[in-house]
Amino acid sequence: IQLTQSPSSLSASVGGRVTITCRASQGISTLLAWYQKNPGKAPKLLISDASTLQSGVPSRFSGSGSGTHFTLTITSLQPEDSAAYYCQQLYDYPITFGQGTRLEIE
Amino acid sequence: EVQLVQSGGGLVQPGGSLGLSCAVSGFSFDGYGMAWVRQAPGKGLEWVANIKQDENDKFYVDSVRGRFSISRDNAKNSLYLHMSSLRVEDTAVYYCARVAIRGYDFWGQGTLVTVSS
Repeated sequence: IQLTQSPSSLSASVGGRVTITCRASQGISTLLAWYQKNPGKAPKLLISDASTLQSGVPSRFSGSGSGTHFTLTITSLQPEDSAAYYCQQLYDYPITFGQGTRLEIE
Repeated sequence: EVQLVQSGGGLVQPGGSLGLSCAVSGFSFDGYGMAWVRQAPGKGLEWVANIKQDENDKFYVDSVRGRFSISRDNAKNSLYLHMSSLRVEDTAVYYCARVAIRGYDFWGQGTLVTVSS
């Protein structure tokens, strides 16, 4: 199952809002997770099951979607949100990740 | 506190072998599947392998099947990845991760594997 993220990179201002899209090559129900990845650090699980916010993750992160179309939205952007974001499908093996979206906070 | 502490890795020549370990604490290891994920320099995340709780079910990405072997020792709360016939393209930071329902919720610190002559 291929996951296609868009855009591949984007810039936004502090306080702003961004939406990252992840499209699956076939239906995966809601078996999709979102991760934040900073250089030199391990990935951090933000959202599981397409829309379930993980404990400790700020509520300005939200996820939605099912089937083949998913989105990650970040509102009230903070400087610490500057990172790469990846979607991951857990519907079938091989487990696959999207190619990533690099977010820069201006 | 959940902790996954990795060891192993380093520099190896093409065709060589190397082992990675991931020692876990803070949760019931035998109640969770585990995974290895890697990130090559300048590239995205790539899932490498999974192992179910009872060690009987193992899954691999095509590019490593037959060369890498994932295993676990539930008595020692440890996960392993044995890598053989290593290629330059296996160069990456390797992470172990706990497989929770619908996501990988805890990760090791990562360990660099460099395959070069």
